[in-house]
Amino acid sequence: GDSVTQMEGPVTLSEEAFLTINCTYTATGYPSLFWYVQYPGEGLQLLLKATKADDKGSNKGFEATYRKETTSFHLEKGSVQVSDSAVYFCALSDVQGGSEKLVFGKGTKLTVNP
Amino acid sequence: DAGVTQSPTHLIKTRGQQVTLRCSPKSGHDTVSWYQQALGQGPQFIFQYYEEEERQRGNFPDRFSGHQFPNYSSELNVNALLLGDSALYLCASILSGGQETQYFGPGTRLLVL
Repeated sequence: GDSVTQMEGPVTLSEEAFLTINCTYTATGYPSLFWYVQYPGEGLQLLLKATKADDKGSNKGFEATYRKETTSFHLEKGSVQVSDSAVYFCALSDVQGGSEKLVFGKGTKLTVNP
Repeated sequence: DAGVTQSPTHLIKTRGQQVTLRCSPKSGHDTVSWYQQALGQGPQFIFQYYEEEERQRGNFPDRFSGHQFPNYSSELNVNALLLGDSALYLCASILSGGQETQYFGPGTRLLVL
């Protein structure tokens, strides 16, 4: 079945450092790809998404490009802030008979120190 | 516009008991999915409800069942609780009709002792 593999953490960075969290996927067909963020004690929030190859999703300074040739969707941010500390999940959509479910990676915990 | 709401926020049960969790979707959303997130793991899809019927199901035993009401709210029921059922249970609401964004609630944290 479809699966997502993402870089295991935890990742610890200093404020204003460059962030990359790697994500690769295995899927039949061409799924939409997502990054969700989970702040402590909260549910998941959609950070960005891309629905087809070469699309770039972006939000709040974060970016990720849908790379079909390498089956990847790496998350990047040029300058992280303390407020970016959270757990980040890469996910793909698996559509069956009109019903869409999300398949998630295990998550990467990011801590940004001042 | 209220987002996705879930109740209760926390719950403690003992092995063998039964539990019911509740979810109200975003206004206008007609589809609800449930996910289980074990500690340190990504969410796992349990099932999805649309038009009061289960439309798709993940790899979970029959102890997990659900219901959707005419107002689109949903319940997740788990029978014969096991220690391994301890997790954060997330509800996501979707507007059907295409590949729409899934909006997640804050979750219900279930602890089974």
